[in-house]
Amino acid sequence: EAQVTQNPRYLITVTGKKLTVTCSQNMNHEYMSWYRQDPGLGLRQIYYSMNVEVTDKGDVPEGYKVSRKEKRNFPLILESPSPNQTSLYFCASSLGVNTEAFFGQGTRLTVV
Amino acid sequence: GESVGLHLPTLSVQEGDNSIINCAYSNSASDYFIWYKQESGKGPQFIIDIRSNMDKRQGQRVTVLLNKTVKHLSLQIAATQPGDSAVYFCAEKGLSGGAGSYQLTFGKGTKLSVIP
Repeated sequence: EAQVTQNPRYLITVTGKKLTVTCSQNMNHEYMSWYRQDPGLGLRQIYYSMNVEVTDKGDVPEGYKVSRKEKRNFPLILESPSPNQTSLYFCASSLGVNTEAFFGQGTRLTVV
Repeated sequence: GESVGLHLPTLSVQEGDNSIINCAYSNSASDYFIWYKQESGKGPQFIIDIRSNMDKRQGQRVTVLLNKTVKHLSLQIAATQPGDSAVYFCAEKGLSGGAGSYQLTFGKGTKLSVIP
């Protein structure tokens, strides 16, 4: 089954404790992205990647890192999480620039 | 910066009626637009897309209209069903990173409620 898989689905952590949210897709897609979704603000793009070893900042990259060492995986790294990074995070992938994006089920992160 | 927005945050329609969800965008250079549906507790799901060289595209029960003159995008759902209840987002592929970029800007969403 074609899918985008994020882990974990839920995470509660403390300020400053490094964490990684994993994202994996099995569709051989080149393009992958991370978004955060906050009430009243909709979905905002954090980082995106157009291919292996190619990443670029989205609208809200501060406090986040990503890597794309292999095509299927695109982890989101929070080196020192802060409470304002409490949010619902989505990973997405697509075959090309102008093709539909498939989204994961989301990761709800709470930083206390 | 450029932004994509929605005219109405909520929309209630009677089952069987047609629904129209609107979206205004401000980046006149955008070349690709997408509508997504998000049900509670789930990730956004692709509904339909349209490229800037088109003004209308139809899918199963859905039609997207693009008016580049007034920078307006709409999603029409025919014979709305209870299963259509969700939040609908329009998204625009921006050109801030050049023609090959993949920066998608989402609107804030419209919540569609279908009254049985």
